Amino acid sequence: AQTVTQSQPEMSVQEAETVTLSCTYDTSESDYYLFWYKQPPSRQMILVIRQEAYKQQNATENRFSVNFQKAAKSFSLKISDSQLGDAAMYFCAYSIDTGNQFYFGTGTSLTVIP
Amino acid sequence: NAGVTQTPKFQVLKTGQSMTLQCAQDMNHNSMYWYRQDPGMGLRLIYYSASEGTTDKGEVPNGYNVSRLNKREFSLRLESAAPSQTSVYFCASSYDGNPKNIQYFGAGTRLSVL
Repeated sequence: AQTVTQSQPEMSVQEAETVTLSCTYDTSESDYYLFWYKQPPSRQMILVIRQEAYKQQNATENRFSVNFQKAAKSFSLKISDSQLGDAAMYFCAYSIDTGNQFYFGTGTSLTVIP
Repeated sequence: NAGVTQTPKFQVLKTGQSMTLQCAQDMNHNSMYWYRQDPGMGLRLIYYSASEGTTDKGEVPNGYNVSRLNKREFSLRLESAAPSQTSVYFCASSYDGNPKNIQYFGAGTRLSVL
C-alpha cells in the first residue's frame, strides 16, 4: 500500500523564523516524484516544490527547500524567513512512475505568528 | 488565466438527491482528476481521466460516476447522495499522467448532504 504520513497536524512559527514540516512515505517503487502543496484559506491547492526521487540534490524554490532522505523515505519541507502569507495547510504527496495516481498526506496546518 | 474552474462552489443536498459537479480546464491538459478531501484524511482520488475518452477508478470510486465530456471538461456525478459523501471535492488537471507533471487544482466544491 502507498501511504504518506505527516505526523504534525499543526505547527506554528514566528514571522521571519524557520520552520520544518515533516513527511514520511512508504512505497516499494524505485522511481517516483515527491511534492509539497500549499492550501491557503481560499482552498486552492498550489504547488510549493517538487523533488524527483532519482536526484540526490535537494530541491529549492526561493525560501522553500526540502531535505530528501531516500533511504529513510523522508521528505521534509523547510520554510525560511517565514511570512504571514505562508500560513496555510501543507500537504506532502507523491506520485509513482506508473502515473495518474497521487497519494497525499493528511496535512500540516501552519500558523505564522506576527 | 482561469486554469481549473469548478462549479458550484457550495451545494447542500438531501439524502437521495442527485447532482453533477462540473470541472473545466483551459490549459489543454490531457489528464484530469477528481478528489475528495475529508478532515484528517488528506485528498483521496475518486476517478481520473488519463485522456479524452478514458476514465478509471481511483481509491474511493463507490457512489460516483464521471464523464470526460471533451478534453476541457470532466464532470463528477452523485446519483443518490448519502451523508457520507459530505466533503470538499477538488478537480485537478495535468499535462498528462507522467508522475513528474504538476497537478493544477480548482478551488473546490463544498458539498453537504443532509
